[in-house]
Amino acid sequence: DAGITQSPRHKVTETGTPVTLRCHQTENHRYMYWYRQDPGHGLRLIHYSYGVKDTDKGEVSDGYSVSRSKTEDFLLTLESATSSQTSVYFCAISPRVADTEAFFGQGTRLTVV
Amino acid sequence: SQQGEEDPQALSIQEGENATMNCSYKTSINNLQWYRQNSGRGLVHLILIRSNEREKHSGRLRVTLDTSKKSSSLLITASRAADTASYFCATDSGGGADGLTFGKGTHLIIQP
Repeated sequence: DAGITQSPRHKVTETGTPVTLRCHQTENHRYMYWYRQDPGHGLRLIHYSYGVKDTDKGEVSDGYSVSRSKTEDFLLTLESATSSQTSVYFCAISPRVADTEAFFGQGTRLTVV
Repeated sequence: SQQGEEDPQALSIQEGENATMNCSYKTSINNLQWYRQNSGRGLVHLILIRSNEREKHSGRLRVTLDTSKKSSSLLITASRAADTASYFCATDSGGGADGLTFGKGTHLIIQP
């Protein structure tokens, strides 16, 4: 497996609470991504980063924020968790902006009750 | 919005048979990739085919790309039980840093 670790792997939280998911890589790749995976929707991009402190929104960014203060860490925060954010979250990394494969973490299963 | 759409959504075949999955997409692409996801795991890259390529092989995998029809197919030959997984196509439009756009996947079951 590529050097990419997500934490926590599982989390149950209550509606209205903030939640932060962490993605840590040891590959020194410039590009990092957060996706969510839901039945019937495949993977959808939440936010991405193209360098330290350089981030942008993806397709489903409402209710999420991200930060990248170091090359190796990309944090996803649910500002006030809702039941619709119950999902499996995947972090991915890639060395170049295009024409390259992405490497995925093992995923974080988040349940909002 | 989804770029790729896999077909069929689910496929069940006997071990040793060939499995074919299709992907259609909507806009022009720089390349198309296929990924596998085992239950409860992350996605693993299988193969990348560039827009100027028509066919590519990797072991038991064969991928074709028809840019005029905006479609791709993944063929797995001589299937094994370990091939049971979900398979996703992903398109790279090459327009920026926003990565890949994934389809909804085909769930493949190989019956022993």
